[in-house]
Amino acid sequence: DAKTTQPNSMESNEEEPVHLPCNHSTISGTDYIHWYRQLPSQGPEYVIHGLTSNVNNRMASLAIAEDRKSSTLILHRATLRDAAVYYCILTNHIKAAGNKLTFGGGTRVLVKP
Amino acid sequence: DAGVTQSPTHLIKTRGQQVTLRCSPKSGHDTVSWYQQALGQGPQFIFQYYEEEERQRGNFPDRFSGHQFPNYSSELNVNALLLGDSALYLCASNPHIWDREGANIQYFGAGTRLSVL
Repeated sequence: DAKTTQPNSMESNEEEPVHLPCNHSTISGTDYIHWYRQLPSQGPEYVIHGLTSNVNNRMASLAIAEDRKSSTLILHRATLRDAAVYYCILTNHIKAAGNKLTFGGGTRVLVKP
Repeated sequence: DAGVTQSPTHLIKTRGQQVTLRCSPKSGHDTVSWYQQALGQGPQFIFQYYEEEERQRGNFPDRFSGHQFPNYSSELNVNALLLGDSALYLCASNPHIWDREGANIQYFGAGTRLSVL
């Protein structure tokens, strides 16, 4: 499984943007980049995913480097509810039937009021 | 529309005992995966069920087994419990997508916290 590398933790002030980096230098051409987050005492929840182009949804934006060896999850205005562990995960969509997710340690985001 | 539900929420067992955890997938989903999350670590994939068969398996011993029922719900069984089996056990579901790209989004339950004493 292709691996990802993320910083252990990051801090942000409320209402400010948060940029969460992820390195995936061994990514293959068929790997999608997924981001999940895990709030305290909850299971992980899907945030966003992409293949080559930048993506936006109501939760966040995903910026993917041109060589696809890195990506950045952007929370545009962090709130206290965004405090969570954020996981960057590669999944191969050629294998259907719900591919397993390989979680690393993730980045723990602390949002200060 | 109910999401993924797991039961029980908490469980305490002693070493050597056996435990069964249950999961009901999100409505419309037919594939169920199980993950183990030790304290302070990311979830680790145990196995995945589709059409009542184990389709993928992670690096877990045979003490870990599962089952999927015709209504797509699933059970995780762990035999001969060890202290190291203490963890949060997460169930995730997704639809079985063959052709549509980018749709492999898994939905997780809140988990079952297992403590082995």
